[in-house]
Amino acid sequence: GDSVTQMEGPVTLSEEAFLTINCTYTATGYPSLFWYVQYPGEGLQLLLKATKADDKGSNKGFEATYRKETTSFHLEKGSVQVSDSAVYFCALIRVYAGGTSYGKLTFGQGTILTVHP
Amino acid sequence: ETGVTQTPRHLVMGMTNKKSLKCEQHLGHNAMYWYKQSAKKPLELMFVYNFKEQTENNSVPSRFSPECPNSSHLFLHLHTLQPEDSALYLCASSRGTGIVNQPQHFGDGTRLSIL
Repeated sequence: GDSVTQMEGPVTLSEEAFLTINCTYTATGYPSLFWYVQYPGEGLQLLLKATKADDKGSNKGFEATYRKETTSFHLEKGSVQVSDSAVYFCALIRVYAGGTSYGKLTFGQGTILTVHP
Repeated sequence: ETGVTQTPRHLVMGMTNKKSLKCEQHLGHNAMYWYKQSAKKPLELMFVYNFKEQTENNSVPSRFSPECPNSSHLFLHLHTLQPEDSALYLCASSRGTGIVNQPQHFGDGTRLSIL
């Protein structure tokens, strides 16, 4: 079945440091890929997405590129802020024949990011 | 404000109690979802409803009973739960399950503790 593997956390960085959170996936066909973020006490929010190979999703200074050859979708940010402290989830949705997905997102286990001033 | 509201935010119940979780979305979406978020485990999809019809039951025990009376409301009825059912239960909605790239919008969750 489909699966998503994220790097083990927690990740602790100083403000303005460079961030990479690794994500690799296993899926049949051509999934769409997502990063979600969960701030303390809140639900998940979509951070960015990519729907086909070589697409780059970006939002709020975060970027991730859909790499089909390495089945990866690593999250990067050039300069993190304290407000970026949260749990980050990589996810995929399989696209079935006819272009439907049945809404079935598959998530990684999440990576806790803590940014210190 | 995500447009998806879950109540209650916290719930403590005994194993013999019956309670319900409520989710309401104000986004005009047609698909709604229940997820379970346990510590150190990936989010688990439990149920999917599309246009009020259940399209996915991810082998969820019968002590969890979903109800979707209309596209804006989703309930999760709970009875005779076990301690391992303690978790954060998240509701989400999207325009429809057939629209691949439309994101799911999540509520803030109900933190459930089983005594």
